[in-house]
This record gives sequence, structure tokens and C-alpha cells, in this order.
Amino acid sequence: ILNVEQSPQSLHVQEGDSTNFTCSFPSSNFYALHWYRWETAKSPEALFVMTLNGDEKKKGRISATLNTKEGYSYLYIKGSQPEDSATYLCAPSGGSYIPTFGRGTSLIVHP
Amino acid sequence: GAVVSQHPSWVICKSGTSVKIECRSLDFQATTMFWYRQFPKQSLMLMATSNEGSKATYEQGVEKDKFLINHASLTLSTLTVTSAHPEDSSFYICSARDKQGVGETQYFGPGTRLLVL
Repeated sequence: ILNVEQSPQSLHVQEGDSTNFTCSFPSSNFYALHWYRWETAKSPEALFVMTLNGDEKKKGRISATLNTKEGYSYLYIKGSQPEDSATYLCAPSGGSYIPTFGRGTSLIVHP
Repeated sequence: GAVVSQHPSWVICKSGTSVKIECRSLDFQATTMFWYRQFPKQSLMLMATSNEGSKATYEQGVEKDKFLINHASLTLSTLTVTSAHPEDSSFYICSARDKQGVGETQYFGPGTRLLVL
């Protein structure tokens, strides 16, 4: 089981603000990192999977970067909207290929 | 595509009874299914990994006789909490994967909230 830290634990922003949060993980024995969005009363939804150092993925207003050498990934949301309100989970995987989940960052976007 | 259902979404039971939770992949064949438990303000903790037709692999500290997992087909896995006690009250969520290997995505069910009285 990997030691995965996500920060901040929660975040309140105004509609239109851009925001970002961090996922930290051990840099050794890294294979892949997943980001999920989890809205209340719904299933977690896969956003990105990244494997290579320097990877950058984008989906609409959401993007993510990966630094495997120092063991972190950033998730960015540009121009936050109320529908972006959710918990964002990161899950790196090591040699077992089974991801370990962080506690998540709870984002609330106020209209 | 890639939808996973989980049933029931809520269950309240008396201490000592057993509860079965079903996890189904609706539009793909799940070679591997995972069962997680989440306590309040904690992360998703993997309980066990199951492959169709074989015994589940349990994580350290998870009692296999208490949490029975059956993965009888490529679209269905069940978790039975036997002789449930109040400390088993938690949020249980399953996920399924159709491929092995690095970076393969898991597709999650919506979860089951269990309350044992």
C-alpha cells in the first residue's frame, strides 16, 4: 500500500475561479496514476490515467500533470463551475498494478 | 459504456445477520473486480481483489471468513458480510476492470451504505 497524500482536504471557490490541487506519492516503484471525480450519490468517474514523467492530460477545463521523479501530480480546473463540485481522488499504482487511493480533495464551487 | 451497478444502495440490518451486496458490470466483462470500504473522512481502502472463477485475494487485516466474496461470472461479484456487527457499518463500493495491466481504468459502482444496529 502506497502512502498517498492529497491537499488541500477541501476547497471552496467562487464560480469562474481557477483552482488546483495536489497528489503526492512515493516516487519509487511507480507505474501509473489515476484521477477520479466523485460526485455525491454517484459513482467515481475516471478522469485521467498518466504513466510517463511529464505527462499532461486535458479534458475540457480540467487538466493534470505528472512528475514521477519527485512524486506528485497536479489537477487544474480552469474557470470553475458549480457542476465541478465533487471530490477529486488520485490513485497511484505501484508494482501490483492495483491503485491506492488518497482521501481526496473536496471541491465546492459557489455560484 | 462501462457501467457498474451495485445493489442495494442502502441496507440497515440487525447485529448478527448477514448482508449480501451485489456488483454487476452491465456492458462489459469484468476480469477483475475490487471491493473497497470507506470510513468517514477516510480514503477508499481495498478489501479484496477477485478474479472470475478463482478465490479472492484479501488485503492484510481483512477477515476472509467475515467478508465472503464470490465472483461467479464475468459480470457479477458478491460481497457477503457475515454475522454483521455495528463496527461493520461503513460504505462499501465495488469496481470492475476489463483488462489487466498498467494504467487500466477501474469502473466503479455507486456504493452501498451499511448500517448495523
